[in-house]
Amino acid sequence: QVQLQQSGPGLVKPSQTLSVTCAISGDSVSTNSAGWNWIRQSPSRGLEWLGRTYYRSKWYNDYAEFVKSRITINPDTSKNQFSLKLDSVTPEDTAVYYCARGWGSGWYLGIWGRGTLVTVSS
Amino acid sequence: EIVLTQSPGTLSLSPGERATLSCRASQSVSSSYLAWFQQKPGQPPRLLIYGASIRATGIPDRFSGSGSGTDFTLTISRLEPEDFAVYYCQQYGSSPPFTFGGGTKVEIK
Repeated sequence: QVQLQQSGPGLVKPSQTLSVTCAISGDSVSTNSAGWNWIRQSPSRGLEWLGRTYYRSKWYNDYAEFVKSRITINPDTSKNQFSLKLDSVTPEDTAVYYCARGWGSGWYLGIWGRGTLVTVSS
Repeated sequence: EIVLTQSPGTLSLSPGERATLSCRASQSVSSSYLAWFQQKPGQPPRLLIYGASIRATGIPDRFSGSGSGTDFTLTISRLEPEDFAVYYCQQYGSSPPFTFGGGTKVEIK
């Protein structure tokens, strides 16, 4: 079955770049039938969809407007994984970051990683 | 951006009772691309319902979803002890951003 394994540092300093990776097993990041998403969750802001990457003869990305200037989601076909980078972080970016697979009609989020708590602090 | 408002914020019920959770959208959700998730502490959200009314694989039939347009409902027909958790709705589909509601906590009375 499809599983998503997350990795990344738990502590990032303000103004630096947050980076989390999601390794895929049981599916391919290059599949034409899924999209690969990042979502975060904090007590103050709840669940927030950040963006996604997907392949349809070429690679596409969609990003949430509120992080669009700071976010990059990249696929890595050699390792069958995808990554999230968030630049210029502040304490407001402290959250649990989740990766998730969008699949099926409309690409509902059926498979989630276990989450990575990232704290932004000096 | 579609804003999802869930109500009530907290529902206090006893095992065996019926739970009715509401999710209202600020504009129509296309093709009923509305999902419901259950989340327990320390765990990621778990997909219960997609397409407004389709149970995800392995989800018990005491969970049901209904609604269309801007008004959606998740019903748990008879609460089991493991159902006490936080529930979120989310709209998805082809037009991002894909927003979540603020959640309803179902707690033991």
